[in-house]
Amino acid sequence: AQSVTQPDIHITVSEGASLELRCNYSYGATPYLFWYVQSPGQGLQLLLKYFSGDTLVQGIKGFEAEFKRSQSSFNLRKPSVHWSDAAEYFCAVAGGSYIPTFGRGTSLIVHP
Amino acid sequence: DTAVSQTPKYLVTQMGNDKSIKCEQNLGHDTMYWYKQDSKKFLKIMFSYNNKELIINETVPNRFSPKSPDKAHLNLHINSLELGDSAVYFCASSQVGKGARTEAFFGQGTRLTVV
Repeated sequence: AQSVTQPDIHITVSEGASLELRCNYSYGATPYLFWYVQSPGQGLQLLLKYFSGDTLVQGIKGFEAEFKRSQSSFNLRKPSVHWSDAAEYFCAVAGGSYIPTFGRGTSLIVHP
Repeated sequence: DTAVSQTPKYLVTQMGNDKSIKCEQNLGHDTMYWYKQDSKKFLKIMFSYNNKELIINETVPNRFSPKSPDKAHLNLHINSLELGDSAVYFCASSQVGKGARTEAFFGQGTRLTVV
């Protein structure tokens, strides 16, 4: 079975500071990995995805993530956070069934 | 053009009623899903359909019945609604068969409130 752990329920950063959101997955083979963002009252928008190839993945809005097989991790990073980045962030893994399993989410709070 | 659209966006109803949520995707995807997001934001898969065939049915009360009339539609019917059914329900679609695989694309969600 596949699973995702997002160890941080809330993260607070100052605007302009760097950001790293942690994600660890459990899956026996090479997974498909995703980061989604959900703004209040909205659906989920894909930030980036890893299917294969380069382990450093670039996404929208200046986000990137790195797949580290040895650590079963897919952490999300951004060098400089903007107030509009405040939202809920979800990491997801899909294995052989192709059905995404989501972590419990990390709520990002941005202080001015 | 909205890729995955759900209706209604909000649904308030009394306990014991029966309600339906509709979902349509215009992406040509072969797989559609229903997820439930609880008050703590946890997203849990409920059903998945591939080319109108049910391929996954997680532990969901049988009061919930999905219907897929064609590849582009996946509706969710709920009988005898209970307070605990209050949540946000998301429809999603992706391509997992022939052609390039894609990520799941999500609708805007339906906030169901049972009173």
